[in-house]
Amino acid sequence: DGGITQSPKYLFRKEGQNVTLSCEQNLNHDAMYWYRQDPGQGLRLIYYSQIVNDFQKGDIAEGYSVSREKKESFPLTVTSAQKNPTAFYLCASSRNGLAAGELFFGEGSRLTVL
Amino acid sequence: SQQGEEDPQALSIQEGENATMNCSYKTSINNLQWYRQNSGRGLVHLILIRSNEREKHSGRLRVTLDTSKKSSSLLITASRAADTASYFCATVPNSGYALNFGKGTSLLVTP
Repeated sequence: DGGITQSPKYLFRKEGQNVTLSCEQNLNHDAMYWYRQDPGQGLRLIYYSQIVNDFQKGDIAEGYSVSREKKESFPLTVTSAQKNPTAFYLCASSRNGLAAGELFFGEGSRLTVL
Repeated sequence: SQQGEEDPQALSIQEGENATMNCSYKTSINNLQWYRQNSGRGLVHLILIRSNEREKHSGRLRVTLDTSKKSSSLLITASRAADTASYFCATVPNSGYALNFGKGTSLLVTP
Protein backbone atom coordinates (compact mmCIF):
# COMPACT_ATOMS: atom_id res chain seq x y z
CA ASP A 1 0.00 0.00 0.00
CA GLY A 2 1.18 3.53 -0.75
CA GLY A 3 1.90 5.82 2.10
CA ILE A 4 4.39 7.55 4.35
CA THR A 5 6.42 5.68 6.91
CA GLN A 6 8.03 7.43 9.85
CA SER A 7 10.45 5.78 12.21
CA PRO A 8 11.02 5.38 15.03
CA LYS A 9 7.58 5.95 16.55
CA TYR A 10 9.10 6.74 19.97
CA LEU A 11 12.59 8.02 20.62
CA PHE A 12 14.39 9.05 23.77
CA ARG A 13 17.48 11.20 23.68
CA LYS A 14 19.89 12.56 26.20
CA GLU A 15 20.65 16.25 26.12
CA GLY A 16 23.51 17.08 23.76
CA GLN A 17 22.85 14.19 21.37
CA ASN A 18 21.81 14.51 17.75
CA VAL A 19 19.01 12.25 16.52
CA THR A 20 17.70 11.53 13.05
CA LEU A 21 14.05 10.84 12.28
CA SER A 22 13.32 8.85 9.17
CA CYS A 23 10.58 9.62 6.64
CA GLU A 24 10.00 7.48 3.55
CA GLN A 25 7.19 7.74 1.01
CA ASN A 26 6.22 5.49 -1.88
CA LEU A 27 3.57 7.81 -3.31
CA ASN A 28 5.92 9.24 -5.95
CA HIS A 29 5.24 12.71 -4.52
CA ASP A 30 7.56 15.58 -5.37
CA ALA A 31 7.15 17.62 -2.18
CA MET A 32 7.85 16.61 1.40
CA TYR A 33 7.47 18.46 4.68
CA TRP A 34 8.40 18.27 8.35
CA TYR A 35 6.11 19.70 10.99
CA ARG A 36 6.47 19.90 14.74
CA GLN A 37 3.45 19.60 17.03
CA ASP A 38 3.39 20.72 20.64
CA PRO A 39 0.34 20.49 22.92
CA GLY A 40 -2.00 23.37 22.22
CA GLN A 41 0.27 24.79 19.52
CA GLY A 42 -0.99 23.14 16.38
CA LEU A 43 1.54 22.29 13.68
CA ARG A 44 4.56 24.41 12.86
CA LEU A 45 6.62 24.00 9.71
CA ILE A 46 10.29 23.07 10.16
CA TYR A 47 11.54 22.38 6.63
CA TYR A 48 10.06 21.55 3.26
CA SER A 49 11.39 20.24 -0.02
CA GLN A 50 9.70 20.74 -3.35
CA ILE A 51 12.11 18.61 -5.35
CA VAL A 52 15.09 16.32 -4.90
CA ASN A 53 18.31 18.04 -3.80
CA ASP A 54 16.46 21.18 -2.78
CA PHE A 55 14.88 22.23 0.52
CA GLN A 56 13.76 25.38 2.25
CA LYS A 57 13.55 26.52 5.87
CA GLY A 58 10.15 26.80 7.44
CA ASP A 59 9.13 28.89 10.42
CA ILE A 60 11.16 27.05 13.08
CA ALA A 61 14.22 25.62 11.30
CA GLU A 62 16.81 26.57 13.94
CA GLY A 63 18.39 23.51 15.51
CA TYR A 64 17.21 21.18 12.74
CA SER A 65 18.72 19.93 9.49
CA VAL A 66 17.40 17.90 6.55
CA SER A 67 18.54 16.29 3.33
CA ARG A 68 16.71 15.27 0.17
CA GLU A 69 19.04 13.00 -1.79
CA LYS A 70 16.25 10.73 -2.99
CA LYS A 71 12.68 11.48 -3.96
CA GLU A 72 11.40 8.90 -1.49
CA SER A 73 13.31 10.04 1.57
CA PHE A 74 13.41 13.20 3.69
CA PRO A 75 15.20 12.56 7.00
CA LEU A 76 15.18 15.17 9.77
CA THR A 77 18.07 15.58 12.20
CA VAL A 78 17.35 17.20 15.53
CA THR A 79 20.66 18.66 16.63
CA SER A 80 21.92 19.51 20.08
CA ALA A 81 21.39 23.17 19.14
CA GLN A 82 17.62 22.72 19.34
CA LYS A 83 16.74 24.17 22.74
CA ASN A 84 13.46 22.34 23.35
CA PRO A 85 13.30 19.27 21.12
CA THR A 86 10.70 17.27 23.03
CA ALA A 87 7.73 17.18 20.67
CA PHE A 88 5.69 15.15 18.20
CA TYR A 89 7.20 15.28 14.70
CA LEU A 90 5.09 14.77 11.61
CA CYS A 91 6.31 14.17 8.07
CA ALA A 92 4.04 14.80 5.09
CA SER A 93 4.14 14.75 1.31
CA SER A 94 2.14 16.26 -1.53
CA ARG A 95 1.89 15.46 -5.21
CA ASN A 96 3.48 18.67 -6.42
CA GLY A 97 5.63 21.36 -4.92
CA LEU A 98 3.04 24.09 -4.76
CA ALA A 99 1.08 22.59 -1.85
CA ALA A 100 -2.06 23.21 -3.86
CA GLY A 101 -3.42 19.81 -3.00
CA GLU A 102 -3.77 17.73 0.06
CA LEU A 103 -0.98 16.57 2.31
CA PHE A 104 -0.50 12.94 3.21
CA PHE A 105 0.90 12.46 6.70
CA GLY A 106 2.89 9.75 8.41
CA GLU A 107 1.96 8.48 11.85
CA GLY A 108 4.51 10.67 13.59
CA SER A 109 7.59 10.27 15.77
CA ARG A 110 7.48 11.27 19.41
CA LEU A 111 10.84 12.53 20.67
CA THR A 112 11.51 12.90 24.37
CA VAL A 113 14.69 14.46 25.70
CA LEU A 114 15.70 13.12 29.08
CA SER B 1 3.55 30.87 10.23
CA GLN B 2 0.31 29.81 11.86
CA GLN B 3 -2.47 31.62 10.10
CA GLY B 4 -5.65 29.74 10.83
CA GLU B 5 -7.37 29.98 14.18
CA GLU B 6 -10.08 27.49 15.03
CA ASP B 7 -13.00 28.19 17.29
CA PRO B 8 -14.00 26.73 19.69
CA GLN B 9 -10.86 25.17 21.12
CA ALA B 10 -12.94 22.32 22.51
CA LEU B 11 -16.42 21.02 21.78
CA SER B 12 -18.41 18.31 23.53
CA ILE B 13 -21.65 16.94 22.04
CA GLN B 14 -23.75 13.81 22.09
CA GLU B 15 -24.07 11.28 19.30
CA GLY B 16 -26.55 12.34 16.67
CA GLU B 17 -25.99 16.06 17.20
CA ASN B 18 -24.28 18.30 14.68
CA ALA B 19 -20.83 19.74 15.34
CA THR B 20 -19.74 23.09 13.92
CA MET B 21 -16.17 24.35 13.97
CA ASN B 22 -14.97 27.68 12.67
CA CYS B 23 -11.68 28.85 11.26
CA SER B 24 -10.43 32.38 10.67
CA TYR B 25 -7.32 33.35 8.74
CA LYS B 26 -5.40 36.51 7.96
CA THR B 27 -4.12 36.72 4.38
CA SER B 28 -5.32 35.87 0.88
CA ILE B 29 -5.39 32.17 0.21
CA ASN B 30 -5.27 29.74 -2.69
CA ASN B 31 -7.36 27.16 -0.85
CA LEU B 32 -8.35 26.06 2.64
CA GLN B 33 -8.26 22.49 3.87
CA TRP B 34 -9.61 20.64 6.88
CA TYR B 35 -7.79 17.76 8.55
CA ARG B 36 -8.61 15.35 11.32
CA GLN B 37 -6.20 13.90 13.88
CA ASN B 38 -6.93 11.05 16.24
CA SER B 39 -4.95 11.19 19.46
CA GLY B 40 -1.28 10.39 18.91
CA ARG B 41 -1.71 9.74 15.19
CA GLY B 42 -0.97 11.52 11.95
CA LEU B 43 -3.37 13.92 10.27
CA VAL B 44 -5.87 12.80 7.67
CA HIS B 45 -7.16 15.09 4.94
CA LEU B 46 -10.93 15.62 5.00
CA ILE B 47 -11.83 18.23 2.43
CA LEU B 48 -10.36 21.06 0.35
CA ILE B 49 -12.22 24.20 -0.71
CA ARG B 50 -10.76 26.61 -3.23
CA SER B 51 -10.87 30.39 -2.88
CA ASN B 52 -13.48 30.68 -5.65
CA GLU B 53 -15.82 28.16 -4.00
CA ARG B 54 -18.34 28.99 -1.28
CA GLU B 55 -19.53 25.57 -0.14
CA LYS B 56 -18.52 21.97 -0.48
CA HIS B 57 -19.93 18.66 0.73
CA SER B 58 -18.37 15.28 1.38
CA GLY B 59 -20.56 12.66 3.05
CA ARG B 60 -21.53 14.05 6.47
CA LEU B 61 -19.16 16.98 6.10
CA ARG B 62 -20.11 20.43 4.90
CA VAL B 63 -17.54 23.19 4.51
CA THR B 64 -18.21 26.83 3.79
CA LEU B 65 -15.76 29.56 2.88
CA ASP B 66 -16.28 33.31 3.11
CA THR B 67 -13.22 35.02 1.66
CA SER B 68 -14.58 38.49 2.44
CA LYS B 69 -14.61 37.61 6.15
CA LYS B 70 -11.57 35.35 5.85
CA SER B 71 -13.39 32.54 7.58
CA SER B 72 -14.50 28.96 7.06
CA SER B 73 -16.71 26.53 8.92
CA LEU B 74 -16.80 22.75 9.10
CA LEU B 75 -20.10 21.09 9.91
CA ILE B 76 -20.26 17.42 10.84
CA THR B 77 -23.84 16.18 10.76
CA ALA B 78 -25.27 13.31 12.79
CA SER B 79 -22.04 12.91 14.74
CA ARG B 80 -20.80 9.53 15.96
CA ALA B 81 -18.48 8.56 18.81
CA ALA B 82 -15.90 7.69 16.15
CA ASP B 83 -15.81 11.36 15.12
CA THR B 84 -14.00 12.14 18.39
CA ALA B 85 -10.73 13.74 17.28
CA SER B 86 -8.98 17.06 16.78
CA TYR B 87 -9.87 19.02 13.67
CA PHE B 88 -7.50 21.47 12.02
CA CYS B 89 -7.95 24.02 9.30
CA ALA B 90 -4.99 24.75 7.07
CA THR B 91 -4.49 27.46 4.51
CA VAL B 92 -2.35 27.70 1.42
CA PRO B 93 -1.39 31.34 0.95
CA ASN B 94 -1.26 32.72 -2.57
CA SER B 95 2.48 33.32 -2.22
CA GLY B 96 3.32 30.24 -0.16
CA TYR B 97 4.44 26.70 -0.74
CA ALA B 98 3.37 25.00 2.45
CA LEU B 99 0.25 24.64 4.51
CA ASN B 100 -0.20 26.84 7.58
CA PHE B 101 -2.16 25.08 10.31
CA GLY B 102 -4.28 26.43 13.12
CA LYS B 103 -4.23 25.11 16.68
CA GLY B 104 -7.25 22.87 16.16
CA THR B 105 -10.62 22.13 17.73
CA SER B 106 -10.85 19.13 20.02
CA LEU B 107 -14.18 17.37 19.46
CA LEU B 108 -15.61 14.87 21.93
CA VAL B 109 -18.70 12.91 20.91
CA THR B 110 -20.27 10.93 23.73
CA PRO B 111 -22.60 7.97 23.15
